[in-house]
Amino acid sequence: EAGVTQSPTHLIKTRGQQATLRCSPISGHTSVYWYQQALGLGLQFLLWYDEGEERNRGNFPPRFSGRQFPNYSSELNVNALELEDSALYLCASNRATGNEKLFFGSGTQLSVL
Amino acid sequence: AQSVTQLGSHVSVSEGALVLLRCNYSSSVPPYLFWYVQYPNQGLQLLLKYTSAATLVKGINGFEAEFKKSETSFHLTKPSAHMSDAAEYFCAVSDRGAQKLVFGQGTRLTINP
Repeated sequence: EAGVTQSPTHLIKTRGQQATLRCSPISGHTSVYWYQQALGLGLQFLLWYDEGEERNRGNFPPRFSGRQFPNYSSELNVNALELEDSALYLCASNRATGNEKLFFGSGTQLSVL
Repeated sequence: AQSVTQLGSHVSVSEGALVLLRCNYSSSVPPYLFWYVQYPNQGLQLLLKYTSAATLVKGINGFEAEFKKSETSFHLTKPSAHMSDAAEYFCAVSDRGAQKLVFGQGTRLTINP
C-alpha cells in the first residue's frame, strides 16, 4: 500500500512569489491535514480538509490556502511568500472516523530566499 | 485551549540505558494523547496513543507511555536504548481524535555508543 506522497521534495522560491505544494493521501483516506514544521517552532497545524471541504484552520494568515480535489488529493498554496515561510510542510491523512491515527508524508522543504 | 510541553529539547543516553522523554499536557476535556517519532528526512510515525482505555500504553519498537491524570503527564519510556532509536520525538494532544492535534516542540534523542 502506497503511503502519503508529497511533491516536490524541495522547493526554492524568492520572497513575494507563490508556492504550490501537493499531497496524495493513502488510498481510502478522505481527510488531509497540513502542518508546518519550522525550525524552533515545532509542528503547527495549518489546515484540515475532508470530503473536499475545509473543516478547520490553524492560526495562519489568509495567504495560506488550499483545496482538496474529488480524488482526495490536496494542494497547499502560499501566496506572497515571506522569509519566515521557510519550513518543512508535512501532509497527513486518515479516515476521519474518530481517533484514527495520522499517516504522514515525508514533507516538502520550502526555502524562501 | 490545549497545549503540550516537552521538557528538554535534547536528550542524550547511552546505548542500553533507560530512555525517558517527558511530556506534560493541558486540556479542558479528557484528552487523546499521542507520541510520534520522526527519523531524519522522513515524516512522522505514530509510536503509541492513549484514548481513555488502559493508562499504560504500549507502542512499537519497545516504547511505552503512562497517562497520569493527576500529574497531567504522558511520559515516554523505553527500558533499553538502541542506536536506531535516535530521532526526534513529538508528544501531541487532541480533544477530538486526530483532527485537532496540537504538538509539542519535540525532543531530539541522541544515543551514545
